[in-house]
Amino acid sequence: QLQLQASGPGLVKASETLSLICTVSGESFNGRTYYWAWIRQSPGRGLEWIGSFYSGRGSYFTSSLESRATISVDASKNQFSLKLDAVSAADTAVYYCARQRRTDFDFWGQGTLVTVSS
Amino acid sequence: QSALTQPPSASGSPGQSVTISCTGSSSDIGAYNFVSWYQQHPGKAPKIVIFEVHKRPLGVPNRFTGSKSGNTASLTISGLQTDDEADYYCSSSADSNNFVFGTGTKVTVL
Repeated sequence: QLQLQASGPGLVKASETLSLICTVSGESFNGRTYYWAWIRQSPGRGLEWIGSFYSGRGSYFTSSLESRATISVDASKNQFSLKLDAVSAADTAVYYCARQRRTDFDFWGQGTLVTVSS
Repeated sequence: QSALTQPPSASGSPGQSVTISCTGSSSDIGAYNFVSWYQQHPGKAPKIVIFEVHKRPLGVPNRFTGSKSGNTASLTISGLQTDDEADYYCSSSADSNNFVFGTGTKVTVL
């Protein structure tokens, strides 16, 4: 059974960079078959798609975050990561990593809470 | 990209049916047959219950049905059970390889 686990610092200072890693287990990590996504959830905004990494095609991001977000993949470690620059209180959320089929998200990690402090 | 619009809440008694709407635009729901629905219990990750408008993943009971008309998609849960009490979110593909989620609906089983 595929499992995803997001991890990273639970507290980040405003204006700094948020860095999260998603570790994939339970089956071979195959970047060519699936896409990999980051999604966040905050009380005021509900679920928000951040962006996705498409093997061989690069990354796509929601327009409001594309200037600050980066997604990369390390297939040798079965991991993909998210970096979000210049964070503010508005970036406080539970961050989920997910496996994406072309048009939906079929497996989700448990999520990790990131709080941005001033 | 604006969030898809869902009613904040919906409710029904055990055994009854409840339908949740999800309204978007001609740039998302109206343009693609790529609407999915997710169930989220408190403190848990979302779980997919419908994809590509009306398809059910393995293991999801046929009490969950999805449909779409124009810019609005719907999720119907029939034969309500206590475990169906959760938040439900719709999602749609949108222009330029984007995805947009709905505002979420809290389903209460009375």
